[in-house]
Amino acid sequence: KQEVTQIPAALSVPEGENLVLNCSFTDSAIYNLQWFRQDPGKGLTSLLLIQSSQREQTSGRLNASLDKSSGRSTLYIAASQPGDSATYLCAVDPYSGGGADGLTFGKGTHLIIQP
Amino acid sequence: DTGVSQNPRHKITKRGQNVTFRCDPISEHNRLYWYRQTLGQGPEFLTYFQNEAQLEKSRLLSDRFSAERPKGSFSTLEIQRTEQGDSAMYLCASSLDQDRSTYEQYFGPGTRLTVT
Repeated sequence: KQEVTQIPAALSVPEGENLVLNCSFTDSAIYNLQWFRQDPGKGLTSLLLIQSSQREQTSGRLNASLDKSSGRSTLYIAASQPGDSATYLCAVDPYSGGGADGLTFGKGTHLIIQP
Repeated sequence: DTGVSQNPRHKITKRGQNVTFRCDPISEHNRLYWYRQTLGQGPEFLTYFQNEAQLEKSRLLSDRFSAERPKGSFSTLEIQRTEQGDSAMYLCASSLDQDRSTYEQYFGPGTRLTVT
C-alpha cells in the first residue's frame, strides 16, 4: 500500500527566506506527483504536476523536483511571502493505467510566513 | 468560472439524517473523483467515475454512501443515516482522459459536513 510522508509537519519562517518542503513515498511505481496548496477551510489548488519521466517542474517562485527511484520529491519556494502561508500537500498518482485509483496524499506541511 | 463547483458549501445535519452533495466538474473532463478530508489529514480517495461509470470504490465507502454520475456530467454523493464520524470536508475533483494526458486533477472548494 502506497504511503506518503511529508516533513516537516509545520514550518514558520520570516518573510523573504527560501524554503524546502519534503515529500517521500514508499512505492516508486507512480504515474505522476502533484503538489497542492490548501488555505484554511478551502479546497485544493494545484501548484505543480511532475510526470514520472520528468525530474522537475517550475512555476514562478516554485520549483518541484522528483526522484522516483528514491521515492522523494521536494517543493522549493523562493523569496517567501506572507501570502504563501497555507498547507502544502503532496500527492502521488499510482501507476494503474493513469489516474483510476485516486491520489494518495500526505498529511501536509503547515507553512506560516512571518511578515 | 469554469472550475469545479460543489454545492452546498456547508451542511449541518443531525445524526441519522440523509444528506446529498453535488459536484459539477470542468465541462470537458470525463473523470470525476470524490475524496474525504478530516481535520489535520490529507484527503482520502472515496470513488471514481469514468464518464457515467463508477469504476473504483475505496473500502472507506461504506454501504451508507452512494455516488452517481448520470449522463457523465454532474455527480452526487449521498450519505444515508449520517453518523458523527461522517463529519468531514468532502472534495470533488475532475480530470481529462485523452491521449498523452497527465490526468492532472482539479479540485472544487469542497462541502463541509457537520453531523450533530
